[in-house]
Amino acid sequence: EVQLVESGGGLVQRGGSLRLSCAAYGFSFSRYWMSWARQAPGKGLEWVAKIKPDESEKYYVDSVKGRFTVSRDNAEESLYLQMNSLRDDDAAVYYCVLLLQGITYWGQGTRVTVSS
Amino acid sequence: ETVLTQSPATLSVSPGDRVTLSCRASQSVGGNFAWYQQKPGQSPRVVIYDTSTRATGVSARFSGSGSGTEFTLTIGSLQSEDFAVYYCQQYDGWPTFGQGTRLEIK
Repeated sequence: EVQLVESGGGLVQRGGSLRLSCAAYGFSFSRYWMSWARQAPGKGLEWVAKIKPDESEKYYVDSVKGRFTVSRDNAEESLYLQMNSLRDDDAAVYYCVLLLQGITYWGQGTRVTVSS
Repeated sequence: ETVLTQSPATLSVSPGDRVTLSCRASQSVGGNFAWYQQKPGQSPRVVIYDTSTRATGVSARFSGSGSGTEFTLTIGSLQSEDFAVYYCQQYDGWPTFGQGTRLEIK
């Protein structure tokens, strides 16, 4: 059974940095693209970043390009999101996600709050 | 980026009703289309994927259809546990979501 467990969220000042982590269980992590998605309070869902299994390709939504960096450690079966220069509109629940054969699997999410 | 437009934004219905939710894509996404249910404080849960395939454990009340740019989710005989927000998603390239349709009890 696919299980994704995020951690690392919290309260951060505007302009600050935060690193999110995701531990993956129940599937061959090193074989699949992995992603981050987010949901701002009371808002919809947004795909934020995705990374190829060998890290040779990474893609980001326009609003985070140059500020966020996705990475992974296949030996540790973990996914990361380094978030720098955080803005008010980055406040959200961040989900580690796996899109596999048409189904998006979600973690429980980790909340990022940005204070001014 | 493919934009998904859901309608309506909110639907007030009664238990036992049959409802149809719609989602339109700004360009063709083939059959790479899914529907998710989200309840307050929970992660989204897949209901339908590949346009019309019910996910494991999902009631037969749920059915999906469509192709290209027009997709629908139909829920027959609404139960209390079906009241939630439903999001459509395309995954033909960069995944995107609709803005959601909230099903509320009339």
